[in-house]
Amino acid sequence: GAGVSQSPSNKVTEKGKDVELRCDPISGHTALYWYRQSLGQGLEFLIYFQGNSAPDKSGLPSDRFSAERTGGSVSTLTIQRTQQEDSAVYLCASSFRRGYNEQFFGPGTRLTVL
Amino acid sequence: QQQVKQSPQSLIVQKGGISIINCAYENTAFDYFPWYQQFPGKGPALLIAIRPDVSEKKEGRFTISFNKSAKQFSLHIMDSQPGDSATYFCAASNEGAQKLVFGQGTRLTINP
Repeated sequence: GAGVSQSPSNKVTEKGKDVELRCDPISGHTALYWYRQSLGQGLEFLIYFQGNSAPDKSGLPSDRFSAERTGGSVSTLTIQRTQQEDSAVYLCASSFRRGYNEQFFGPGTRLTVL
Repeated sequence: QQQVKQSPQSLIVQKGGISIINCAYENTAFDYFPWYQQFPGKGPALLIAIRPDVSEKKEGRFTISFNKSAKQFSLHIMDSQPGDSATYFCAASNEGAQKLVFGQGTRLTINP
């Protein structure tokens, strides 16, 4: 079966522009996560969706960042008025359900803000 | 208290040797400790994970050692191979939080 897919794989934008990053989780996975990986750094949690519950937004770094998940499947991470410090690889992961379940990661979207 | 500290940042091991990567945490609520392996241009993939009710877990050449009292855990790669060259991340979470807190990563190079 298909794994987690993300698009685009690379995105170059100018400072101040808005960007949208897309994640298609594994079919049947109810949990979806967004992480950010800056150059040479570990992964930083951004937001978590579980079924129809309210998302855990505790990792979003500013109100310029938002995410939604439509129909319990596809998710979009939106960054408004991008800044150079937003440059990073944005990773999406999904897992089957709550509990100690493996998170399956997509290949990421590399965002470069000029 | 949410941090997971990982060391070393980089590690070079000869083929056939043992690679050891260490992590330490502060939050005693953490009860799930996975290790992820990441190759360039790819997302991380789960390698092995442990719960704190055991002190060691082995899967093939990969072993996690866990010391609950010291709040430390480590990854041992036996008979290291060039194909093991990758970046390794330790992480921690608890069922209530779900989100993974990652260490900074270790770039492992296995010399042939």
